[in-house]
Amino acid sequence: AQSVTQLGSHVSVSEGALVLLRCNYSSSVPPYLFWYVQYPNQGLQLLLKYTSAATLVKGINGFEAEFKKSETSFHLTKPSAHMSDAAEYFCAVSDRGNTGFQKLVFGTGTRLLVSP
Amino acid sequence: DAGVTQSPTHLIKTRGQQVTLRCSPKSGHDTVSWYQQALGQGPQFIFQYYEEEERQRGNFPDRFSGHQFPNYSSELNVNALLLGDSALYLCASSLRQVGSGANVLTFGAGSRLTVL
Repeated sequence: AQSVTQLGSHVSVSEGALVLLRCNYSSSVPPYLFWYVQYPNQGLQLLLKYTSAATLVKGINGFEAEFKKSETSFHLTKPSAHMSDAAEYFCAVSDRGNTGFQKLVFGTGTRLLVSP
Repeated sequence: DAGVTQSPTHLIKTRGQQVTLRCSPKSGHDTVSWYQQALGQGPQFIFQYYEEEERQRGNFPDRFSGHQFPNYSSELNVNALLLGDSALYLCASSLRQVGSGANVLTFGAGSRLTVL
């Protein structure tokens, strides 16, 4: 069964510092990978997704993630944190079935705290 | 363009009662999925509907049931509520595209259910 592990339930950075949120996946074949962000009292918003094109994926709000098959990782980074980045971030995986039906398996989330 | 809308936003029930949650998908989407997000956890897949039929189901008991209507809207029903059913219930919609890669899910803000 597919799964994802997010290391660190909380990550604290200063405004302007590098953001690094870690995600490792477990799958017998390279899956589709996603990062979502959840602001308080809101649903999940897609930041970026990996579907087997370029291994470095650029997303919204300056975020990017790199797929590393050898490390089974898909870490999320942003060069300079902004106060508005404070939120809960979820890594998710789905299989490569071509039925057109998407089922996501989420990690437990990492709360990003940004201090002035 | 309205995204995914869910109702009610908050509700409180007592153990043993039944609840119905509603979801209207994003315009143009034909597939609806439901996820349960317990406090401090990542969302877990409940089931998915397409063409008014359940297409995939996660590891949830039969107390959880759903329905999709001809206009693509959906309901999630939970019978015999338990304290452990307290969670944020997220609805996600997508457009089924066979063989086109990872279909993007659009999430609603959720319905927060508290069971006392």
